[in-house]
Amino acid sequence: QSALTQPRSVSGSPGQSVTISCTGTSSDVGGYNYVSWYQEHPGKAPKLIIYDVTKRPSGVPDRFSGSKSGNTASLTISGLQAEDEADYYCCSYAGTYTFGVFGTGTKVTVL
Amino acid sequence: QVQLQESGPGLVKPSGTLSLTCAVSGGSVSSSNWWTWVRQSPGKGLEWIGEAYPTGSTNYNPSLRSRLTISIDRSKNQFSLKLSSVTAADTAVYYCVRGGLWDGFDPWGQGTLVIVSS
Repeated sequence: QSALTQPRSVSGSPGQSVTISCTGTSSDVGGYNYVSWYQEHPGKAPKLIIYDVTKRPSGVPDRFSGSKSGNTASLTISGLQAEDEADYYCCSYAGTYTFGVFGTGTKVTVL
Repeated sequence: QVQLQESGPGLVKPSGTLSLTCAVSGGSVSSSNWWTWVRQSPGKGLEWIGEAYPTGSTNYNPSLRSRLTISIDRSKNQFSLKLSSVTAADTAVYYCVRGGLWDGFDPWGQGTLVIVSS
């Protein structure tokens, strides 16, 4: 099972919006509504920011939003802030043989 | 709130067995949650290792399945990972997390670095 494909990096200025894509197949992203997103700051453990494609855990700012179309899930950060500079990973359920697969990761840079 | 803490040897010899434990505080491993292990090789991305449920059900990454055991110890409120026949490719930071693929991984332990080297 290959990792889900994410862009290596995206960047934006404070206040702008950026969108990170997570492309899989009909066996993972496209087949189930079980996509989650994680934010990882250097030297820290990842943090859950989106689950079940669109749901946001309590405490996560509403400028983080998730969506899915076909085999591609997306994370949008609106009103980009300096503290959003981090690595972001998607993860999807992939059926009863592979179970779980992460994305390749995207580095978000705030200009 | 639930907190997780990994523990175990930081150095394992090639062909040996990597054994880690995750202590759960502020909650119970007997609750209706999956308990999961994730790893991250140096400078690389995240890899889902596997998960266990209090009923004894387990799901494993197929690439690790033949070497992997994840179990829950209700008496000690902890869960563990055992990975046999390790090689340098198993060198990584290992994280224990609460949750499964269906509801997201939250929270995460701080992670523990395991180096496979002679």
